[in-house]
Amino acid sequence: AQSVTQPDIHITVSEGASLELRCNYSYGATPYLFWYVQSPGQGLQLLLKYFSGDTLVQGIKGFEAEFKRSQSSFNLRKPSVHWSDAAEYFCAVGAKGGGNKLTFGTGTQLKVEL
Amino acid sequence: GAVVSQHPSWVICKSGTSVKIECRSLDFQATTMFWYRQFPKQSLMLMATSNEGSKATYEQGVEKDKFLINHASLTLSTLTVTSAHPEDSSFYICSAPDRGPAEAFFGQGTRLTVV
Repeated sequence: AQSVTQPDIHITVSEGASLELRCNYSYGATPYLFWYVQSPGQGLQLLLKYFSGDTLVQGIKGFEAEFKRSQSSFNLRKPSVHWSDAAEYFCAVGAKGGGNKLTFGTGTQLKVEL
Repeated sequence: GAVVSQHPSWVICKSGTSVKIECRSLDFQATTMFWYRQFPKQSLMLMATSNEGSKATYEQGVEKDKFLINHASLTLSTLTVTSAHPEDSSFYICSAPDRGPAEAFFGQGTRLTVV
């Protein structure tokens, strides 16, 4: 069965600083990987996704993520964080042929200090 | 991208009553939709897979008689929480896949509070 681990429950960064949110997955084959952002009381917005090909994926809002098969990781990065980036971030994995069911990590709460 | 609309956004109900939550795909057809539940400060857990024209598939530990799912058309799935109890209070969110191999689009979620 697939699983996702987000080791950091909370992260605080200063506005303008760089950001990296960690995500490790467990899956027997090449997974489909996603990062979603959730603002309080809201649904999920897709930031970026990896299916195949280039392991460095560009997303919306200036985010990027890199798939590293050897480390089973899909870390999310942003070079300069904005105060509006404060939210909950979820990494998710989907299985090929799994019918679009996703397994989510526990999430990382990002706080941005002005 | 594809749009999934969920209604209502929030609902408060009394213990013992039933609540229906709707999930609509607005600009595409979805033969399958997924229902997730998210408790405060926790991640999303898949509850069930809704299949158009057939029975829903429930994840282990989810009571199918309590969480009734109906997928009557290619654009609408409903989740009915029957005989609601305070422990059912949660954030319920649906998703529907588009043409991509694994991509799913999420509704805005429904905050259910049972008092």
